[in-house]
Amino acid sequence: QSVLTQSPSASGTPGQRVTISCSGSSSNIGINTVDWYQQLPGTAPKLLIYTNNQRPSGVPDRFSGSKSGTSASLAISGLQSEDEADYYCAAWDGSLNGIYVFGTGTKVTVL
Amino acid sequence: QVLLQESGPGLVKPSETLSLTCTVSGASIRSYYWSWIRQPPGKGLEWIGYMYYSGSTNYNPSLKSRVTTSVDTSQNQFSLKLSSVTAADTAVYYCARPIYGDHGGAKYYYFDIWGRGTLVTVSS
Repeated sequence: QSVLTQSPSASGTPGQRVTISCSGSSSNIGINTVDWYQQLPGTAPKLLIYTNNQRPSGVPDRFSGSKSGTSASLAISGLQSEDEADYYCAAWDGSLNGIYVFGTGTKVTVL
Repeated sequence: QVLLQESGPGLVKPSETLSLTCTVSGASIRSYYWSWIRQPPGKGLEWIGYMYYSGSTNYNPSLKSRVTTSVDTSQNQFSLKLSSVTAADTAVYYCARPIYGDHGGAKYYYFDIWGRGTLVTVSS
């Protein structure tokens, strides 16, 4: 039921910069803020970026988020082996009574 | 430090009702909204809905007809019931705390704290 579309995979070598995109619509990303979650293998998702570009305490500044129109991006600079995980974008969708929608997820592999 | 812990049966039979509880520590359950999210094995995340101790709720339309939630303020717990389950309801179920609001017309809503999740398998 995902209404936010992400590329299935991304990869890079240690130290490289990797960018993940998230495509939505006028009822979600177009009018509301975007969040990003990191899910390491076998663990619960962890909030990585909230309200488009804010990092929770403890999240390295290697992670940055941006939004433009109905799309958003997550950038990982200085890629590290521990960044290998699934990444999900998410946003509130104003259709019907409102629903929080997640992206399809992107698997980041560190080569 | 706020912690969330899911509990409940790991195996439910088809057509029966799935019941889970989330125990909150480090925060009053009256102070926040609370949510459930699920993730089928190998798949993505799905928002189930949110609830408030006063009874206010909002559910995913795809599950709304089968979802019931409740809050027990005396135990600082909230619960999820999903009726008439099928194999498609097999998933890891997470409880989480949503932070929400409105900033200049743009709604923000995100989960800052998650439980570790509990796997529920629907099988006879």
